[in-house]
Amino acid sequence: KNQVEQSPQSLIILEGKNCTLQCNYTVSPFSNLRWYKQDTGRGPVSLTIMTFSENTKSNGRYTATLDADTKQSSLHITASQLSDSASYICVVSARTGGFKTIFGAGTRLFVKA
Amino acid sequence: DTAVSQTPKYLVTQMGNDKSIKCEQNLGHDTMYWYKQDSKKFLKIMFSYNNKELIINETVPNRFSPKSPDKAHLNLHINSLELGDSAVYFCASSQGIIAGGSRSYNEQFFGPGTRLTVL
Repeated sequence: KNQVEQSPQSLIILEGKNCTLQCNYTVSPFSNLRWYKQDTGRGPVSLTIMTFSENTKSNGRYTATLDADTKQSSLHITASQLSDSASYICVVSARTGGFKTIFGAGTRLFVKA
Repeated sequence: DTAVSQTPKYLVTQMGNDKSIKCEQNLGHDTMYWYKQDSKKFLKIMFSYNNKELIINETVPNRFSPKSPDKAHLNLHINSLELGDSAVYFCASSQGIIAGGSRSYNEQFFGPGTRLTVL
């Protein structure tokens, strides 16, 4: 069964600290993995996209890693800012005859001053 | 110069009514999607259209009918609304790529969402 599981469910950190969010998946055959940031009341915005051959990708203070063998990904946020408070969603697509995309439930991050 | 826009932003209606949500993208993308995000914040794909042609139709009640008059628009019509239809509906678009005989999909750009409340 195709699944995407994220941990932790929620996280509270102090401004300026680093944090790492986890994503485990069982989606197969794997096509790509994306991390999205969703602010409250807004649509998701893409942070990174990685295919099978990529194991790390950065976007400013966001760095995503992918281990296709263990089917794990992480999103590391460096020097967090108050504006990083949002839900972070891991999305995995399978390369089937058509197209299948599975969304994780997200990790809710709260950055406090 | 909004990339993906949806109207209305909020929709409150009675059970049994029929309503439509409109979506437009000005990114020149050839693929558009409708997603439903429930109270637990799970995003689930409902439909995907490529060049006005339906390519994904997940297990969605046939009360939901997408309509794509052209590549830039994908509207969602819902008949006989039920309480369980209350959710936030997101439209998205992407540029589909055909590479090496297989199709891969690029980054999806999401609209701001439409919060539907069925009373």
